[in-house]
Amino acid sequence: DVKVTQSSRYLVKRTGEKVFLECVQDMDHENMFWYRQDPGLGLRLIYFSYDVKMKEKGDIPEGYSVSREKKERFSLILESASTNQTSMYLCASSSPGGRGGNQPQHFGDGTRLSIL
Amino acid sequence: TQLLEQSPQFLSIQEGENLTVYCNSSSVFSSLQWYRQEPGEGPVLLVTVVTGGEVKKLKRLTFQFGDARKDSSLHITAAQPGDTGLYLCARGAQKLVFGQGTRLTINP
Repeated sequence: DVKVTQSSRYLVKRTGEKVFLECVQDMDHENMFWYRQDPGLGLRLIYFSYDVKMKEKGDIPEGYSVSREKKERFSLILESASTNQTSMYLCASSSPGGRGGNQPQHFGDGTRLSIL
Repeated sequence: TQLLEQSPQFLSIQEGENLTVYCNSSSVFSSLQWYRQEPGEGPVLLVTVVTGGEVKKLKRLTFQFGDARKDSSLHITAAQPGDTGLYLCARGAQKLVFGQGTRLTINP
C-alpha cells in the first residue's frame, strides 16, 4: 500500500513565523501535491511537482512556496504565516499514468495548522 | 478552473435508508474520480469513471457517469454508519479539481 506521511497532525504557530510542512511518500511517485481544505470549499491546490526540483503553481499559491530536493519528499513553506492560513493541509502523491492520466492520488492524513 | 458543484452539501439520514449525491459541471470532462474522506484521515479513492453512461458498483455504492459526461452520481443503498464521511468528486488527469464535497452522516 502507498504510504504518504505528513510530519505533524497538529501544529500551532504565530503570525509572521516561517512554517515548514513536510510530506514523504514511499511509492516512488513522480507527482506530489499540496492542498488546503476549508469547510465548504473542498480541496484547493496550492502547488504541485512532477519531478525532483520541479514545481508549478496551483490555484492558490500566494503566501506559499515549496521545495522538492528528493523524489520522496515535498515540503510546503509558509514564508510569513498569517491567520488566514489557518487550515487543514493535505499532501498527496500519484504516478504519471498513461495518456489519459486518471491516476489516483494517495493522500496523507493531513496537518491541521493554526496560526495565532 | 472549471468548477464541480456537489449537492447536497450536507445530508443526515437514518441507517437503512437510500441516498443519492450529485456532482455536476457546465463542461464536459473526460473522467471523474470519487473519493471518501473519514474524520481525521485523508481522502481515499473509491472509483474512477471514464465512459459516458458508465455504471460502476462497489458493494452498496453505485456510481454513474452521465451520458453527456457533465455529471455523475453516487447512490448508496441501505446506508450504514460506516458510510459516514465527506464524499468528494474530482475531475482531471494528473492535476485534479475537486468539488466542495457532500458531508454524509448516517445515524444508527
